[in-house]
Amino acid sequence: VLTQTPLSLSVTPGQSASISCKSSQSLLHTDGKTYFYWYLQRPGQSPQLLFDEVSRRFPGVPNRFSGSGSVTDFTLKISRVEAEDVGVYYCMQGLHLPLTFGQGTRLEIK
Amino acid sequence: VQLLESGGGLVQPGGSLRLSCAASGFSFSHYAMTWVRQAPGKGLEWVSGISGGGDSTYYADSVKGRFTISRDNAKNTLFLQMNSLRAEDTAFYYCARTVGDYWGQATLVTVSS
Repeated sequence: VLTQTPLSLSVTPGQSASISCKSSQSLLHTDGKTYFYWYLQRPGQSPQLLFDEVSRRFPGVPNRFSGSGSVTDFTLKISRVEAEDVGVYYCMQGLHLPLTFGQGTRLEIK
Repeated sequence: VQLLESGGGLVQPGGSLRLSCAASGFSFSHYAMTWVRQAPGKGLEWVSGISGGGDSTYYADSVKGRFTISRDNAKNTLFLQMNSLRAEDTAFYYCARTVGDYWGQATLVTVSS
């Protein structure tokens, strides 16, 4: 089970935001990789990958976004939030079947 | 990379549908593929996955025994055969490459009498 907090966030442009995702199981594989991902689903759009393996930024994702954490506790941080960051952020684990997503965190701009 | 889903529509409870996902822009057979669904206004739910060669398949408990994932690597196409459909299967169905580095635009499945 992946538990995201908070479930909603209202941020002033230029301020920072942080989303936590906690897993009930270790996501660290014996191969040394951690199978944990972050996605953003903008309104009316398909989800898009932000980070794989915790902190590997997908091409095109701004440096304002950072992913961190290990084993069971993970964090997505956005420094200097912009209007285009609005949407729902999901974490996902890819180690244990069935693959599971967090409940989603809705980010809105004040 | 492009992924284009099709095959959604309105179906009665107990009915069947076959979703397709046409892939282009990458070596399709080299990648595992995934189906993810999203009930209207709800979160994301992983449905099924398949290995690049098609020899390994995986399912969520909610669809096991009713849905079948398959692929035709010669035609760069992913499929999801959905049988014994229920109202709770109503959702937008996305195909995605591997764990979602690329996603399609989704096809809507509505199960209702």
